[in-house]
Amino acid sequence: ILNVEQSPQSLHVQEGDSTNFTCSFPSSNFYALHWYRWETAKSPEALFVMTLNGDEKKKGRISATLNTKEGYSYLYIKGSQPEDSATYLCALPPNFGNEKLTFGTGTRLTIIP
Amino acid sequence: ETGVTQTPRHLVMGMTNKKSLKCEQHLGHNAMYWYKQSAKKPLELMFVYSLEERVENNSVPSRFSPECPNSSHLFLHLHTLQPEDSALYLCASSQDYWGQNIQYFGAGTRLSVL
Repeated sequence: ILNVEQSPQSLHVQEGDSTNFTCSFPSSNFYALHWYRWETAKSPEALFVMTLNGDEKKKGRISATLNTKEGYSYLYIKGSQPEDSATYLCALPPNFGNEKLTFGTGTRLTIIP
Repeated sequence: ETGVTQTPRHLVMGMTNKKSLKCEQHLGHNAMYWYKQSAKKPLELMFVYSLEERVENNSVPSRFSPECPNSSHLFLHLHTLQPEDSALYLCASSQDYWGQNIQYFGAGTRLSVL
């Protein structure tokens, strides 16, 4: 079972401020990493699929980077808005080897108006 | 609307009851999943079906019994549950299990066991 950790567990950010958080994973046998956003009372939805070392993906004010050699991915939110309040999950899909689909523990982000 | 529909949205059941959760997707996906989300705990993968065959069963108690009659439907049969089984149960689907496929989640069933 892969050890996928996210930090911090929770975060409170003032509206307008920028923030970032981390997903850490074993760097060996890396295949891909997904980021999901899960708003309260809604379904989790996919944000990014990251595959290559050095990947940087962007969607509006949200962006993500990937470092497969050291085993981490950062998610950045620029100019936080109340609608960014959600739990952000990273996940490693099964990699055709022995590793199973694994979700991280999540970072709960609350934007303070 | 993600294309994955779960029913019911809320369920209250006694420990001696038998009930079933239903999940339906019309996205043409080959893999379907059941997850459990308990309060203040990470998302927990319970079962995975790929092409209607179970590919993962993550040490889930036998009082939870999945069924995948076809690629569009997934059920979770519940019997003699315990209060600690109260949680949000999420269904998801993806194009395939193996590969970089993202998952599409349903809205979940909020289960309370009395």
